[in-house]
Amino acid sequence: AQSVAQPEDQVNVAEGNPLTVKCTYSVSGNPYLFWYVQYPNRGLQFLLKYITGDNLVKGSYGFEAEFNKSQTSFHLKKPSALVSDSALYFCAVRGDPSGTYKYIFGTGTRLKVLA
Amino acid sequence: DTGVSQDPRHKITKRGQNVTFRCDPISEHNRLYWYRQTLGQGPEFLTYFQNEAQLEKSRLLSDRFSAERPKGSFSTLEIQRTEQGDSAMYLCASSPRGGGAYNEQFFGPGTRLTVL
Repeated sequence: AQSVAQPEDQVNVAEGNPLTVKCTYSVSGNPYLFWYVQYPNRGLQFLLKYITGDNLVKGSYGFEAEFNKSQTSFHLKKPSALVSDSALYFCAVRGDPSGTYKYIFGTGTRLKVLA
Repeated sequence: DTGVSQDPRHKITKRGQNVTFRCDPISEHNRLYWYRQTLGQGPEFLTYFQNEAQLEKSRLLSDRFSAERPKGSFSTLEIQRTEQGDSAMYLCASSPRGGGAYNEQFFGPGTRLTVL
């Protein structure tokens, strides 16, 4: 069965400091991994994805994520946090082949960047 | 605006009533998903359409839920005999044809359902 875990409900970081939002997954087959962000009163927006290839994936707004197959992790990172990065972040996964079209989303991590 | 749109944005209904939500995906997208999101949780998959064909429906979904995409464009999600546990945000997402399973999804703003 596919699953994804975001172990932290909330992450606080000072503006200008590096940030990490954690995600671990479990799928059969090769994983397709995604990060989405949800700002207040707005729909989820795609940030980045890992399909294959380079383990370090770069995405929107200066975010990047590192795929680690041995640790089954796909942590979201940014070298220097901005107050405007404060939002709810979701990790999602789908296995390939999985026999399903379903994507599994984590429970979300609220990022708070303090000025 | 060429994004995914959903209507209505908010719906308040009494227990036992039927409700219907509409989703208009991005025009060239042939894949369409419905999700349900409750407070403190991530989106939970409900169903998936490829063009007009409903290819997967969550086993968690009771028979009170039905979805259609008759012409492969807009989609509707109907909940019959609503229960208070149906109160949630209902999200629609679309993604373009091609690319297999790894195209990102474009989400609409959601319809917030409150069942009294």
